[in-house]
Amino acid sequence: AQTVTQSQPEMSVQEAETVTLSCTYDTSESDYYLFWYKQPPSRQMILVIRQEAYKQQNATENRFSVNFQKAAKSFSLKISDSQLGDAAMYFCAYRATPGGTSYGKLTFGQGTILTVHP
Amino acid sequence: DAMVIQNPRYQVTQFGKPVTLSCSQTLNHNVMYWYQQKSSQAPKLLFHYYDKDFNNEADTPDNFQSRRPNTSFCFLDIRSPGLGDAAMYLCATSGTTRESTDTQYFGPGTRLTVL
Repeated sequence: AQTVTQSQPEMSVQEAETVTLSCTYDTSESDYYLFWYKQPPSRQMILVIRQEAYKQQNATENRFSVNFQKAAKSFSLKISDSQLGDAAMYFCAYRATPGGTSYGKLTFGQGTILTVHP
Repeated sequence: DAMVIQNPRYQVTQFGKPVTLSCSQTLNHNVMYWYQQKSSQAPKLLFHYYDKDFNNEADTPDNFQSRRPNTSFCFLDIRSPGLGDAAMYLCATSGTTRESTDTQYFGPGTRLTVL
């Protein structure tokens, strides 16, 4: 079974600085997807960024970028120029490629609470 | 805007009194999911529908049931809520084309309180 581990229950950053959230996962699949979701205090889960395992290039979305290390099974999220609105719970998630044994299921990590200080 | 809508946003029920939570989507996605999320925890998948095919997670209690009368709507029924069922319930959808199937889109959730 796939597992996702976020080893940082809480992180904090000063506004305008950079922070990196860690995520590791375990799978025997070769093709899969990885995601970072953000859940602000309003509780709606919002997709931040996604990575397809067969792509070596790291995904980037504006101030958000990932460092995907497939061999190490590591998928960290870097937030540059942090803003107050970035404060939220961040979940790392894994999903098998459609047609695999775990089709349709997102496996989440435990989450990291990010606090942004003005 | 295409979206996932959940009603109500807040639901209060009494111990043992059946309750139904609603989810609708305008994304025309084939797959709909129900998650349970307790405070400060990751969402836990209860079940999902691929079109009309129901897929239950092995550890989902029998107390939880679901219905999907059409593509747009999906319901979560809790037959006899216990205090341990108080949680946020999240609905999500995904498509089935290669481009759309990988990402799940979440609704705002329904917070259930059991008295």
